[in-house]
Parts: sequence; C-alpha cells; structure tokens
Amino acid sequence: GENVEQHPSTLSVQEGDSAVIKCTYSDSASNYFPWYKQELGKGPQLIIDIRSNVGEKKDQRIAVTLNKTAKHFSLHITETQPEDSAVYFCAASASGGSNYKLTFGKGTLLTVNP
Amino acid sequence: SAVISQKPSRDICQRGTSLTIQCQVDSQVTMMFWYRQQPGQSLTLIATANQGSEATYESGFVIDKFPISRPNLTFSTLTVSNMSPEDSSIYLCSVGVADYGYTFGSGTRLTVV
Repeated sequence: GENVEQHPSTLSVQEGDSAVIKCTYSDSASNYFPWYKQELGKGPQLIIDIRSNVGEKKDQRIAVTLNKTAKHFSLHITETQPEDSAVYFCAASASGGSNYKLTFGKGTLLTVNP
Repeated sequence: SAVISQKPSRDICQRGTSLTIQCQVDSQVTMMFWYRQQPGQSLTLIATANQGSEATYESGFVIDKFPISRPNLTFSTLTVSNMSPEDSSIYLCSVGVADYGYTFGSGTRLTVV
C-alpha cells in the first residue's frame, strides 16, 4: 500500500519568513496530493491540492510543487503569519476523483513566532 | 465543497460501553470515510462506507469493534464498541467531492475512562 513520509515533524519560523514542508510517497499510481491544516480542537481543513498532471499550484501565500519522477511534493508558505501556526498534513491518493482513500503523512507542527 | 455535520462533538464514556457517532452530509456522496486520530498523531483510515453494501475495513480494524451503517447517500454512523481507554481518540468522517477534494467533519473527541 501507499506510504507517505513527511518532514520536518516540527518547524519554527519568524513571522514574515517562509516555511517549507516536504513529503515523499511510495505508490507510483498516486495522482492526487492534498495538504491539510489542522488547528487545535478542529478537523483538518483542505488548504491546497495538486494533481499529477501539473507541477506547481499557487493560492496567494501558499504553493505546492510536485515531482512525480522523484515521488515527492512540497508545501511552501510565504510571508508567514502567527495564524499560520497549526499542524499541517500531506496526503496522497491513487485517484484524482472522490472515491479513494487518502494516506496521510505524520504531520508537521508549524509555529510562527511574532 | 460538501458540508459535514458530525455528532457528538465530544463525549466521555465508561469502559465497556459503546458510542455511536453520526455523520450527516449536505449532498449525496458515493463513499464516506471514517478516520481515527490518536492523541498527537496522524489520521488513520478505519473503513470506507458505501451505501447499500458492507463497509470495507482497513488492516487492524474489524467490524465487531467498529460497526458502520450507511443507510443513504447523505448519512453514516460509526459505533465504537466495548470501549477501553485505548479507544480514546478523535474520530472523523470524511467525504470526497469530485473536483473539490476531500472534506472532513469537525470530529468527535472521545475519552474513555
């Protein structure tokens, strides 16, 4: 089955700096890669996703890059703000649709210091 | 994207008892997913619930411990049976909507004492 590795497990940055979280996956059939933000006491919230037919996707301060050859994808947050502090999870799925399970990384605790 | 309502939001239960968690979606979906998130850990899929058929369980999870119902395309329940303190976790339901990705409910925080 799919295995997703996520690094680092914790990341501390100063407000305004950039943060990068990296994930690797094992199943070459995976073609959908979402990123979730989970704040304390809440369910995971989808913040950005990418499908295997593109290499990069941006949404304001957030971007995701995908390298299918190397089987890794990364989340980039620029101009970080204290409200970006949360746990971030990457995931992979072997379908770009809606009927296949997600396999999650172990999460990264991001702390943005004012 | 879909909106998920999950109940209860939290509960404290005695060991040996059972708790049923409800998940209501505001649109019809083919599959619903149930995840467990142990304290400080990532999300682990328990089972996939299809309407009109038995749920498909992941390795390490069995129907006797986590029975699931899926009576229609907008609703599912997960029961945590014969609970022990090791079952203390957040239980989350999720649905996938084409082109919108997978949405999660806010979770049920279960403490077993």
